Amino acid sequence: AQKITQTQPGMFVQEKEAVTLDCTYDTSDQSYGLFWYKQPSSGEMIFLIYQGSYDEQNATEGRYSLNFQKARKSANLVISASQLGDSAMYFCAMREVPNTGNQFYFGTGTSLTVIP
Amino acid sequence: NAGVTQTPKFQVLKTGQSMTLQCAQDMNHEYMSWYRQDPGMGLRLIHYSVGAGITDQGEVPNGYNVSRSTTEDFPLRLLSAAPSQTSVYFCASSYSSPNYGYTFGSGTRLTVV
Repeated sequence: AQKITQTQPGMFVQEKEAVTLDCTYDTSDQSYGLFWYKQPSSGEMIFLIYQGSYDEQNATEGRYSLNFQKARKSANLVISASQLGDSAMYFCAMREVPNTGNQFYFGTGTSLTVIP
Repeated sequence: NAGVTQTPKFQVLKTGQSMTLQCAQDMNHEYMSWYRQDPGMGLRLIHYSVGAGITDQGEVPNGYNVSRSTTEDFPLRLLSAAPSQTSVYFCASSYSSPNYGYTFGSGTRLTVV
């Protein structure tokens, strides 16, 4: 089973509108972290926002917020007031800390295009 | 500046050549990884390390070797380059806690001809 699922390969949003990028995850651990990264066309991976599994409030970082619904195992990224510079690839990720093995899992990404 | 330093940024290799992609971090991160990114395929884990002296294979380890002799450095060796290894490679590091995400290097664009 996929650990991280991003079902939207591509999204379009009008400038200044809000957009939600979907992410669902699969884990049986109680302690885990959820992350979103942005990858613009220049290629670097930029950390956007983090949500801990024990955090009761949704994380916010400026125009970014993470809509965390633990029972549904979803961690959607909400970008408010979209800007042209938000056009990029967005990756959802989860981190577990097992006794052994890989700890990070990434989704396949969502390509966001902001339309002027 | 603190961060993950990857070198080189660009490299062209001939089939059969070997090379080492360098990765160094100065944040005392225990956890380090190498990924490759191909169009439409997201990030695929090559190798990772939970600390100095400890490495393990990821999803696509064939054709690559790693070592972790120090906390800071995690080089990736291509033993005999093949055109299928043409990709963008990212090194990433983190503390060993679910509260911390990755810090990524700037990437290496490798072309094998």
